[in-house]
Amino acid sequence: DIVMTQSPLSLPVIPGEPASISCRSSQSLLHSNGYTYLDWYLQKPGQAPQLLIYLASNRASGVPDRFSGSGSGTDFTLKISRVEAEDVGVYYCVQVLQTPYTFGPGTKVDIK
Amino acid sequence: QVQLVQSGAEVKKPGASVKVSCKASGYTFTGFHIHWVRQAPGQGLEWMGWIHSNSGDTRYAQKFQGRVTLTRDTSVTTAYMELSSLTSDDTAAYYCARDDSYAPGTYFDYWGQGTLVTVSS
Repeated sequence: DIVMTQSPLSLPVIPGEPASISCRSSQSLLHSNGYTYLDWYLQKPGQAPQLLIYLASNRASGVPDRFSGSGSGTDFTLKISRVEAEDVGVYYCVQVLQTPYTFGPGTKVDIK
Repeated sequence: QVQLVQSGAEVKKPGASVKVSCKASGYTFTGFHIHWVRQAPGQGLEWMGWIHSNSGDTRYAQKFQGRVTLTRDTSVTTAYMELSSLTSDDTAAYYCARDDSYAPGTYFDYWGQGTLVTVSS
């Protein structure tokens, strides 16, 4: 199975400041079709996860442009340009290159 | 609008089975996979498997192979997840989520609200 790691696991943030979460996979997530099979989700307290980024760098419909995804191969980053209070929750990266799809352990973001 | 509405919470005894439903609406049911993801209390997300809503083809995580069965009924646009031989380790919220069968990649753009399954004697 592909192992996903994230850092940090806890991230206190100040509203208006930027934030960054790192995600690493145990093997390359580059598919033969040229796409990178890495997605990002945010799970707000008491809610189902919601899609933020797919194929490493594509923002999902309705996701504010302060969220961006980057990276390739085995190293990926989710950036929030200016954190807002509504961004608190747990952020997960997930590899969807091969089954079983595997999630990172999550990064808990809260307001400092 | 797209909705995935799951069945209500369940309490089961060890050794029993549970069947959770996921009613889809607002889109062409047969054009999407339905995936199942679970989350134990206070823990992370764990992918269990998917079903192709058109063909009925399935793919399961090895961990659940032999214990999980994914089915769907296209006449009522509903997917089902049945998990057998329950233990306390299966206590979790179970989510369904859809994925476009025809788009590159796999991403879950809509999720059900989750169904809490509690396994307790």
